[in-house]
Amino acid sequence: QKEVEQNSGPLSVPEGAIASLNCTYSDRGSQSFFWYRQYSGKSPELIMFIYSNGDKEDGRFTAQLNKASQYVSLLIRDSQPSDSATYLCAVSLPVAGNQFYFGTGTSLTVIP
Amino acid sequence: ETGVTQTPRHLVMGMTNKKSLKCEQHLGHNAMYWYKQSAKKPLELMFVYNFKEQTENNSVPSRFSPECPNSSHLFLHLHTLQPEDSALYLCASSHKQGARGDTQYFGPGTRLTVL
Repeated sequence: QKEVEQNSGPLSVPEGAIASLNCTYSDRGSQSFFWYRQYSGKSPELIMFIYSNGDKEDGRFTAQLNKASQYVSLLIRDSQPSDSATYLCAVSLPVAGNQFYFGTGTSLTVIP
Repeated sequence: ETGVTQTPRHLVMGMTNKKSLKCEQHLGHNAMYWYKQSAKKPLELMFVYNFKEQTENNSVPSRFSPECPNSSHLFLHLHTLQPEDSALYLCASSHKQGARGDTQYFGPGTRLTVL
């Protein structure tokens, strides 16, 4: 079963703090891992992707991948109220042409 | 906003109506996707087209009929829908389905309500 699990939250952090979002996946064949942000009533927008073990940094965002433990996380440093959104984790599998599987998302609220 | 546009943005239809959703991408991508997003559920992949050829149909009811005339345009034809089909329908595109790190970019979605 190709499942992607996320804690639905809501996760609340104070402004300026580090927000940590976690995602686990069930299929060891998963190839690439993506984080999307979705504001209420809007479509998902890509934050970043990662496909190698370790950390990948992009501005205030850091994605961390641990394939042995089958989890991927997203850290948001210096959280801002504008970061308040639902964060979707997605994994792609090299089957049937590289399908995407999404988690249900984690709702993040950054408190001013 | 993004390189993927969708029309209409909102649609209300009766169960006996026939309507179509349109998606257009301006990113030079070769793969296009239809997703359904319902409340509290993960995004559900419906259809995938890669170089205009349909490569995935994830057991979608026949009342949903996709059409991809070229790599830039994707349609979803709707007929005799049910109230449970009410959802946000998202179109996405990517450079090349199957490529490592191939990333999907989403359109703004069509909010569909079936009465």
